Amino acid sequence: NAGVMQNPRHLVRRRGQEARLRCSPMKGHSHVYWYRQLPEEGLKFMVYLQKENIIDESGMPKERFSAEFPKEGPSILRIQQVVRGDSAAYFCASSGTSGEQFFGPGTRLTVL
Amino acid sequence: AQSVAQPEDQVNVAEGNPLTVKCTYSVSGNPYLFWYVQYPNRGLQFLLKYITGDNLVKGSYGFEAEFNKSQTSFHLKKPSALVSDSALYFCAVSHFSGNTPLVFGKGTRLSVIA
Repeated sequence: NAGVMQNPRHLVRRRGQEARLRCSPMKGHSHVYWYRQLPEEGLKFMVYLQKENIIDESGMPKERFSAEFPKEGPSILRIQQVVRGDSAAYFCASSGTSGEQFFGPGTRLTVL
Repeated sequence: AQSVAQPEDQVNVAEGNPLTVKCTYSVSGNPYLFWYVQYPNRGLQFLLKYITGDNLVKGSYGFEAEFNKSQTSFHLKKPSALVSDSALYFCAVSHFSGNTPLVFGKGTRLSVIA
């Protein structure tokens, strides 16, 4: 049973470009969470999704950031018009009915 | 609102000695507490959790944690540290045992010296 998959593992973008981060949850999991980790800091919650629905987006900036988890395919975290402050590691976690979260390896975004 | 404090940025311990990584929390209602470990350039790996029941929780790799309600603490412990335990450790809390976002502490870097 494959774990949580994230790609790409590393992403470099120039200021103003768009970044798309993908997360495939563990098989059988229908809950996905996105967290951001800034250097030397803990993980900060961004958004919680269930299939086709955003459950809680209280941690996600209102502008430039969006997330989706379609019926088919991976969850996508999209950052438009990236700025240097968006440079961070973005982690996805998935859970099933137990609520225990399993984390992916993360995507490290660097904005030049 | 929930919050987690890990008062130590760094903990150094000699191999074979006991280790403790501290965590205190604040949550309204019953706390659900977790410890995760992060190795360089990797995601977080689950170590253990406290939902209810015994205050002493045993987890992976010989780690355990003690829930102390009066002190609102959930310190991570291991009787004998290994060099391979060197990593970044995160304490997390939620107010619900099911599917809900976690609130993480800033992390404590553990360095085990041979």
